[in-house]
Formats: sequence, C-alpha cells, structure tokens
Amino acid sequence: GESVGLHLPTLSVQEGDNSIINCAYSNSASDYFIWYKQESGKGPQFIIDIRSNMDKRQGQRVTVLLNKTVKHLSLQIAATQPGDSAVYFCAENEYGNKLVFGAGTILRVKS
Amino acid sequence: DAGVIQSPRHEVTEMGQEVTLRCKPISGHDYLFWYRQTMMRGLELLIYFNNNVPIDDSGMPEDRFSAKMPNASFSTLKIQPSEPRDSAVYFCASSRERYNSPLHFGNGTRLTVT
Repeated sequence: GESVGLHLPTLSVQEGDNSIINCAYSNSASDYFIWYKQESGKGPQFIIDIRSNMDKRQGQRVTVLLNKTVKHLSLQIAATQPGDSAVYFCAENEYGNKLVFGAGTILRVKS
Repeated sequence: DAGVIQSPRHEVTEMGQEVTLRCKPISGHDYLFWYRQTMMRGLELLIYFNNNVPIDDSGMPEDRFSAKMPNASFSTLKIQPSEPRDSAVYFCASSRERYNSPLHFGNGTRLTVT
C-alpha cells in the first residue's frame, strides 16, 4: 500500500458554529458543480449542486456559493453538528467532459 | 430507494488471483460509473456505461481490468490477475443523465491484494 498520501486541509469548528468549506476549481468552462460528503467507510454522498447560471443555492442547513470570476466554490453549513464531521469534496463538470473531483477537505466538529 | 449496492464490502486476496466486484445501480439510472479511490490519487474514473454499453474506458489502468454490464441492474469490475498496487476502494455510481446530474455512489469495496 501507499506510505505517502494526500495531505488534506482540515477545518475544525465548534459544534453549533457555521462552517465554510472552500474549493478553487480549475476549468473556466465548467458549468455544473457538486458538493459531496464522505464519511469514513462510506461512499461520497450527494449534498447539493449548482449550475453556472446561478451564484447561490440553498438546501437544508447548507448553502453553495459560486463565484465564476475567480473560479471559486464554497459550501456553508449552518449550525454544524458532530454528524457533519467528514471529508467534503467539490466536483466540477464541463459539458462533454468528465466530472473532476477536488482533493477534499476534512471537517472536524468539536463538541 | 435502496441506493447503489456494491458487494463485497471487503475483499482480501493474494497477488495473482482474480477479483470480481459487483454493483447494482439505482433503478431508472441510465449511467453507471466505476471509480477507484486511493490516498495518492483521490477519486479516479475507470469506466462508464450508458444503457449497458461501455462508453469510455480510458481510465482503466491496464488490460488486467475489465468491466461488464449485462443488464440495467448489474455490473461487474474484474481484475485478473490482481497485484498489490490494485489495493484501493472501488466505488460504483449511477446517475440519470451524463451531465448536469449528480452521481449517486455505493459504499464501495475495499480491496486488499497481498
């Protein structure tokens, strides 16, 4: 197996606080974006998506913001809970090309 | 909805053995994807199918890897012969559309080749 792996950025937040997870994407032609949550031992779980004709979309306790000018995507989680602890991935898609996943960010929620 | 179902959850095998991973996609999803996840490379797309037909297998690392989808509710990923560097978590995912549609992942098969 591998002995060296990716060192993912880690965000530590206090339970009840809001979390903001950031993602810089690379392809200016990407027109569809997705956020996934991956808990230990599980597959990536779809959280929320957004198309490039929008700059904000809200779900239950989550908001995704898209800034196409600087190619930046963020996921805001309101009132973070211990169950939100996981690795969060952004993914970008240009029509006609493969979905490209970011490396991920570890979210740790302190009780 | 049962979600994407993969089996087995864990597979430990010796180098040189054949390994078969299985996937049942979500009913009504026309697209099925096989991904591999490692610490070094993250999530890599291996192959995807549309209506049971392989469309893009450019991510399949070597001829040792093969995938089939005999019907809309079943797919396999086979590695023969397996090697230690194949050790990874293999995910199957399905979606309704190829683009502008989220992929729904199974819980993966953790493969260890000794």
